[in-house]
Amino acid sequence: ETGVTQTPRHLVMGMTNKKSLKCEQHLGHNAMYWYKQSAKKPLELMFVYSLEERVENNSVPSRFSPECPNSSHLFLHLHTLQPEDSALYLCASSRALAGEGGELFFGEGSRLTVL
Amino acid sequence: GQNIDQPTEMTATEGAIVQINCTYQTSGFNGLFWYQQHAGEAPTFLSYNVLDGLEEKGRFSSFLSRSKGYSYLLLKELQMKDSASYLCAATDSNYQLIWGAGTKLIIKP
Repeated sequence: ETGVTQTPRHLVMGMTNKKSLKCEQHLGHNAMYWYKQSAKKPLELMFVYSLEERVENNSVPSRFSPECPNSSHLFLHLHTLQPEDSALYLCASSRALAGEGGELFFGEGSRLTVL
Repeated sequence: GQNIDQPTEMTATEGAIVQINCTYQTSGFNGLFWYQQHAGEAPTFLSYNVLDGLEEKGRFSSFLSRSKGYSYLLLKELQMKDSASYLCAATDSNYQLIWGAGTKLIIKP
């Protein structure tokens, strides 16, 4: 138990569906992240929020839309995805920003399959 | 450019010692992380090195040489539960982390 909870753990969707991934952290951290993890590839940073403001957006396609309503919750809204978007989506939180040495606490991930 | 290199896979014997190397190149550098990820689980923090030298934490130690852009993770007295992927990540000038693809460590009895 890392203090970061992601739901759903598994999601199968068609290319025309709309779904959302949810992340909640119970650690009182100020920063939250979405990462994409594909087999045998480095973790890809998608979005970073610090104090509920988006501070990084790494050229992610618009079919991925983040939302951070408060410092404890982070969503990733999914719309008209492609099969190559199938991956493990990891949420993480940290007290300080990772690039400043903040230790990341990861959730268990949401395994997404796009048909 | 920005790049992190680490071996794809390593095999070691229970009770032995293994060293996982990581070389990095980033636009700006503050420090280097090591994370452990068991299959099907979330990555968990192992270490963060800012200064040159070796930092020991139980059976695990991490080394950093800033001038050489080089780090290693040293695992002693290997146990079967150490079978996992080990991820190296370096900070860069935009306050992001640049991640390696991970080293899958297989421990054999």
